Amino acid sequence: NAGVTQTPKFQVLKTGQSMTLQCAQDMNHNSMYWYRQDPGMGLRLIYYSASEGTTDKGEVPNGYNVSRLNKREFSLRLESAAPSQTSVYFCASSRVARSNTGELFFGEGSRLTVL
Amino acid sequence: AQTVTQSQPEMSVQEAETVTLSCTYDTSESNYYLFWYKQPPSRQMILVIRQEAYKQQNATENRFSVNFQKAAKSFSLKISDSQLGDTAMYFCAFPGREGAQKLVFGQGTRLTINP
Repeated sequence: NAGVTQTPKFQVLKTGQSMTLQCAQDMNHNSMYWYRQDPGMGLRLIYYSASEGTTDKGEVPNGYNVSRLNKREFSLRLESAAPSQTSVYFCASSRVARSNTGELFFGEGSRLTVL
Repeated sequence: AQTVTQSQPEMSVQEAETVTLSCTYDTSESNYYLFWYKQPPSRQMILVIRQEAYKQQNATENRFSVNFQKAAKSFSLKISDSQLGDTAMYFCAFPGREGAQKLVFGQGTRLTINP
């Protein structure tokens, strides 16, 4: 039971470098999400995709782009990494279109450090 | 703005004791769901319990139960007969603004169960 799979699990970048976090789910869920987790701030939504072909900004989208490649995959790209983007990133998915009514299933997280 | 507040950054109890984690929120919605998520040291977030706001009865899942006070906008999690495996970060979450497809998470409470 793979569930939600994120890669890479760890990454160190230099300021200005770019990278893409990959996420895939095998539960045939419609909706997918990217959160970041910072100490004392809980989880904050970066972007989400309610269904294949749609993406929308969350609470903290600046500096990020996303692609819903197909129903299974939702990637998060940092075009020019900044130290403020040092965080743990979580991908999540839900069966229903509205995450506020259904359970979110999370990946194991990706720890990103920007020097 | 919709907010979720967990006022206890850290808690520590002895094994087999009962512990209550508090959560308050602010919303103008009348019908919504509330969630408690657990993040063990392995980092993958899992759903602990879900409460439907229009239901009078408090949700229960084995040793986990909630005390939902809708008028007070309070949603606390009670863990009975605590076990070492309950050691984790716990996040309260509830929906954002009306029509939003996303959850707002609290800052988290780090719970340690001591042997």
